[in-house]
Amino acid sequence: AQTVTQSQPEMSVQEAETVTLSCTYDTSESDYYLFWYKQPPSRQMILVIRQEAYKQQNATENRFSVNFQKAAKSFSLKISDSQLGDAAMYFCACKMNTGNQFYFGTGTSLTVIP
Amino acid sequence: SAVISQKPSRDICQRGTSLTIQCQVDSQVTMMFWYRQQPGQSLTLIATANQGSEATYESGFVIDKFPISRPNLTFSTLTVSNMSPEDSSIYLCSVGGGLIWETQYFGPGTRLLVL
Repeated sequence: AQTVTQSQPEMSVQEAETVTLSCTYDTSESDYYLFWYKQPPSRQMILVIRQEAYKQQNATENRFSVNFQKAAKSFSLKISDSQLGDAAMYFCACKMNTGNQFYFGTGTSLTVIP
Repeated sequence: SAVISQKPSRDICQRGTSLTIQCQVDSQVTMMFWYRQQPGQSLTLIATANQGSEATYESGFVIDKFPISRPNLTFSTLTVSNMSPEDSSIYLCSVGGGLIWETQYFGPGTRLLVL
């Protein structure tokens, strides 16, 4: 079975600083997708960034980037120039190319300190 | 990405009653998913709903408790039946997106409190 582990239940970062959220996963398949989702308090879950496992290049979306280490099965999210609006619960997720189910981690609650 | 709406956004219900949650998408989608997010926890997939076929339920979830309808390609409902306080959760619908449906986009969720 696929599992996704987020070992940091809570993180905090000073505004304008950089923070990295950790995620590891376990799968025996070689073709899959990895995601980071953001869920602000009482608001909708939105997709932050996506990585295809077959791509070696790390995905980036503006201030958000990932460090994808396929051999280590690690998929961390780096948020640069943190803003107050980045405060949210962040979920790491994995989806195999075969099948439709997403596997979510337990989430990391990010606090941004003004 | 798809625009997804859910009704109701929140509700407070008495135990033993049932609540039907609606999910509407602004485009036709093949696959819709229903998740439960219990307080302070991650998302758990309840079932996958394809139009024209029976929903596929994950382990621990049964049709009698969570009946699902999928009458067309833009709409689905999830009913939480015979509710108990343990059913208090956020219920989210999502749809597959992307070139090969590899990404999921989520609705705003329905916050349910069962007294």
